[in-house]
Amino acid sequence: AQSVTQLDSQVPVFEEAPVELRCNYSSSVSVYLFWYVQYPNQGLQLLLKYLSGSTLVESINGFEAEFNKSQTSFHLRKPSVHISDTAEYFCAVSDRGTGFQKLVFGTGTRLLVSP
Amino acid sequence: NAGVTQTPKFQVLKTGQSMTLQCAQDMNHEYMSWYRQDPGMGLRLIHYSVGAGITDQGEVPNGYNVSRSTTEDFPLRLLSAAPSQTSVYFCASSYSGSYTDTQYFGPGTRLTVL
Repeated sequence: AQSVTQLDSQVPVFEEAPVELRCNYSSSVSVYLFWYVQYPNQGLQLLLKYLSGSTLVESINGFEAEFNKSQTSFHLRKPSVHISDTAEYFCAVSDRGTGFQKLVFGTGTRLLVSP
Repeated sequence: NAGVTQTPKFQVLKTGQSMTLQCAQDMNHEYMSWYRQDPGMGLRLIHYSVGAGITDQGEVPNGYNVSRSTTEDFPLRLLSAAPSQTSVYFCASSYSGSYTDTQYFGPGTRLTVL
């Protein structure tokens, strides 16, 4: 069975500063990896995903994540955050062998961006 | 497109009461699922469906019932509510449920069981 660890429950940063949200996973088989974002009082939205190929994946709003198989990590980074990035971020994995996508989520990291 | 819609947004129940959380999508997606979100635990899969008439259990199915009579709707039934079912419930859908699909989430239903 897979599991996902997000060690940081909350990350406070100042606007325009860089940020890294950490995600580590464990699985006995190959996985697909996802980052979802949840803005206040809304459902989750897909931010980016790693399926195969290049280990560096990017989102349209400046976030990027790198799949590191040896360290079983998929950390999310942004070089310069905005106030509007304040949200909760969830890392998730899906086992490639289950037939259908069953996401296993981490506990989330709340990103707090202040002026 | 309205996407994934959920009703109600908020609900308070007494222990032992039953209710149905509604979920609908207008994207013609075959795959639909229900998650619950609890503080400090992330989201956990309750039940999922890969098409009309086909459902299966997820990680935490006990105390919940589902059926899928149409492609559009996937209601979640609580047969006898318990305080442990106090949570935020999210419905999600994707085109086919394949590993590469994007799942689209509804806005959630916040349920409190007293």
